[in-house]
Amino acid sequence: GAGVSQSPRYKVAKRGQDVALRCDPISGHVSLFWYQQALGQGPEFLTYFQNEAQLDKSGLPSDRFFAERPEGSVSTLKIQRTQQEDSAVYLCASSLVWGNSPLHFGNGTRLTVT
Amino acid sequence: DQQVKQNSPSLSVQEGRISILNCDYTNSMFDYFLWYKKYPAEGPTFLISISSIKDKNEDGRFTVFLNKSAKHLSLHIVPSQPGDSAVYFCAARDGTSGSRLTFGEGTQLTVNP
Repeated sequence: GAGVSQSPRYKVAKRGQDVALRCDPISGHVSLFWYQQALGQGPEFLTYFQNEAQLDKSGLPSDRFFAERPEGSVSTLKIQRTQQEDSAVYLCASSLVWGNSPLHFGNGTRLTVT
Repeated sequence: DQQVKQNSPSLSVQEGRISILNCDYTNSMFDYFLWYKKYPAEGPTFLISISSIKDKNEDGRFTVFLNKSAKHLSLHIVPSQPGDSAVYFCAARDGTSGSRLTFGEGTQLTVNP
């Protein structure tokens, strides 16, 4: 399809495990964002890429969170040594250009840490 | 510090009537505002946006109003349809700090047939 694709849709991890979440943005979209959405809350910003450059990672909650987009297309969000408070839906979004351009979201990855 | 606030967690309206969803913000540097709709188990879907240089933007049944002096945003849906039942998020961008969007907590809209 032509939308933002995220995988896996669901991930269950034992506390302490590392996880990797993948995002395929819309082809040609320059900007890519990761958001975290807790139950009953709005999405919270994690990090932002323009092409392969990570321009803003101020929303990453700890140094256990790491994101990359090495070729300016697919992005991976990695969480090391997962904790229960990491349980949330992780949303990826892309947009065509920087600035006043709406973000187009994927369906998210629901992470449950047990 | 909640910079974008949606004070009504839920709203219920009758099919055919008007739905009005409200949003307040505190950051005077916000210059671009958006509304997203979200169905369960799906990502948010872009609905409509407005730049801070305007006070109204209309797209079919959806109209967004911006009152900069009151730092208030509203989304009007008329006529409301049962398929409009979803969670609605307002979001705002601070042009001085890049492209990130700040979201409100969402309002669950239920349109009853």
